[in-house]
Amino acid sequence: EIVLTQSPGTLSLSPGERATLSCRASQNVGSKYLAWYQQKPGQAPRVLIYGASSRAAGIPDRFSGSGSGTDFNLTISRLEPEDFAVYYCQQYGSSLQTFGGGTKVDIK
Amino acid sequence: EVHLVQSGAEVKKPGESLKISCKASGYKFTSYWIGWVRQMPGKGLEWVGNVYPGDSDTRYSPSFQGQITISADKSVTTAYLQWSSLKASDTAMYYCVKNEAVAGPAAYFFDSWGQGTLVTVSS
Repeated sequence: EIVLTQSPGTLSLSPGERATLSCRASQNVGSKYLAWYQQKPGQAPRVLIYGASSRAAGIPDRFSGSGSGTDFNLTISRLEPEDFAVYYCQQYGSSLQTFGGGTKVDIK
Repeated sequence: EVHLVQSGAEVKKPGESLKISCKASGYKFTSYWIGWVRQMPGKGLEWVGNVYPGDSDTRYSPSFQGQITISADKSVTTAYLQWSSLKASDTAMYYCVKNEAVAGPAAYFFDSWGQGTLVTVSS
């Protein structure tokens, strides 16, 4: 099983600031089998990024993904009030797809 | 537009059986893997398993294998998650999820999520 470790656990930032979230895999997941999801309280998650760097439909361009192999990042260029949420990475490069533990982005 | 509409919240006792459902619409049901993700209270996401309604091929996470059964009924475009004997540790929100890739691999990212079904198991 590929274990995904997300860091930091919590990121405290102000609106307008840049957020960089990390997702590290215990094994190579390939260059494109990594997705990022956003979950707000009381809501189902929604996909933001797939294939490590492709934005899903309707996702603002302030969200971007990068990385390959075992190290991936999600960057939010300028935080909007609605971006404060929990973010999860997911790998689907192996037959057993797994999620990271999540990073909470909260208001400083 | 894709819609995944899940059945309502359930409160059960340990040892009881349960089957929850996910009604899919807005796409060709038989061509996409559909499955379930668990979220225990205050915790992260865990993939449970999925089914390909076209041929009923089913995959399970090793963590859930033998504990649950996933199925799909093409005639009503509905996927199911069932337990034969619930435990208190099954208490969680369960999300129905659809893979993005048409006729793709079982492991893929999820482009659509249901609203969630809260299952509470308590004596």
